[in-house]
Amino acid sequence: DVKVTQSSRYLVKRTGEKVFLECVQDMDHENMFWYRQDPGLGLRLIYFSYDVKMKEKGDIPEGYSVSREKKERFSLILESASTNQTSMYLCASSVSGGPNYEQYFGPGTRLTVT
Amino acid sequence: ELKVEQNPLFLSMQEGKNYTIYCNYSTTSDRLYWYRQDPGKSLESLFVLLSNGAVKQEGRLMASLDTKARLSTLHITAAVHDLSATYFCAVDPLSSGQNFVFGPGTRLSVLP
Repeated sequence: DVKVTQSSRYLVKRTGEKVFLECVQDMDHENMFWYRQDPGLGLRLIYFSYDVKMKEKGDIPEGYSVSREKKERFSLILESASTNQTSMYLCASSVSGGPNYEQYFGPGTRLTVT
Repeated sequence: ELKVEQNPLFLSMQEGKNYTIYCNYSTTSDRLYWYRQDPGKSLESLFVLLSNGAVKQEGRLMASLDTKARLSTLHITAAVHDLSATYFCAVDPLSSGQNFVFGPGTRLSVLP
């Protein structure tokens, strides 16, 4: 089974702190994604990566950066956390090539910024 | 801009009843995915539909895809309480796996 894990289920940070969210997948997937999910707004793509050291902006990249130094690991960085970044963050991965690009999701990190 | 709509957004139904959730999208795509999300949890893959006319069934859920109509349906047969969750459809318009667009979700409550 594909397994996507995230470093924390719940996280509480203060405004202005630098926050790291980490995601690891064990299926050698090329693509990895970071979404945030907010009530009434659905899932919105922050960034995705299609290879090591490669990244593409999604729909809402402002205030975030990402890092992918190893194929299995994709990190989301909040340089200076703000209260409007309080949200559920979901990581996903998928294979590249072939007909089925199903995305597999991690358990999510609920981040609260106070 | 691709839009993915789901109808209804909220659904409350009695156990034992049948109902259908609709997913409409605004551009061509021959790949559509259904996910389930329980409260406070992440998304779990339900169905992968990869061609026009594709039909998949798992237990009391059946999903189908009509690419010409740009429509997918998720049919619930004889609902049970355990099916209470939020259901999302997602479209991959570029068939690249890199640009999923998710619908807003349908929150289903099955009442005893």
